[in-house]
Amino acid sequence: DGGITQSPKYLFRKEGQNVTLSCEQNLNHDAMYWYRQDPGQGLRLIYYSQIVNDFQKGDIAEGYSVSREKKESFPLTVTSAQKNPTAFYLCATRGQGYAREPQHFGDGTRLSIL
Amino acid sequence: QQQVKQSPQSLIVQKGGISIINCAYENTAFDYFPWYQQFPGKGPALLIAIRPDVSEKKEGRFTISFNKSAKQFSLHIMDSQPGDSATYFCAGTSGSRLTFGEGTQLTVNP
Repeated sequence: DGGITQSPKYLFRKEGQNVTLSCEQNLNHDAMYWYRQDPGQGLRLIYYSQIVNDFQKGDIAEGYSVSREKKESFPLTVTSAQKNPTAFYLCATRGQGYAREPQHFGDGTRLSIL
Repeated sequence: QQQVKQSPQSLIVQKGGISIINCAYENTAFDYFPWYQQFPGKGPALLIAIRPDVSEKKEGRFTISFNKSAKQFSLHIMDSQPGDSATYFCAGTSGSRLTFGEGTQLTVNP
């Protein structure tokens, strides 16, 4: 079954703890993205990667880190430096087979503070 | 810096009515304007999109109107149905990046 798998669906973080959100895809897409969604603020770009072993900061990268060791995987770590981590986190992918190819989204991970 | 402004924040329409959501953008480098639909607990899904050299695009009950000179575009949902109740996001694409509006929560009453 093709698609984007985000796990876990719900995640709880203790103060001072780092947590890692998983994003796996089998669409063979080169580009992958992480967004944060807060009520009334739309989706904001955290990090993105257009190729393995390379990634760029988005608009709100502070307190987050990523890696892209495999084409299929783009994990996001929410570090203890992120003081307001409670949000809905969305992973997206995009193929580069044609111009204006759209981004496709997973079903998200909801992160809360204990 | 918010480069895509979306309104209204919430919208309630009756079944069979027309839902209209408006967006305005600042970045003239945007070269594609998609609309996404999101249901609770799910990721956004592409609904319809338009290029800036086209003034209107229609797919079924959904129509995008685009005004390049005013840097504005809108989504019209004709014959709105309760199943259309969702959050709608407009966006602008520049290269491989998307910039989203703040979203509109649409409720269609039966």
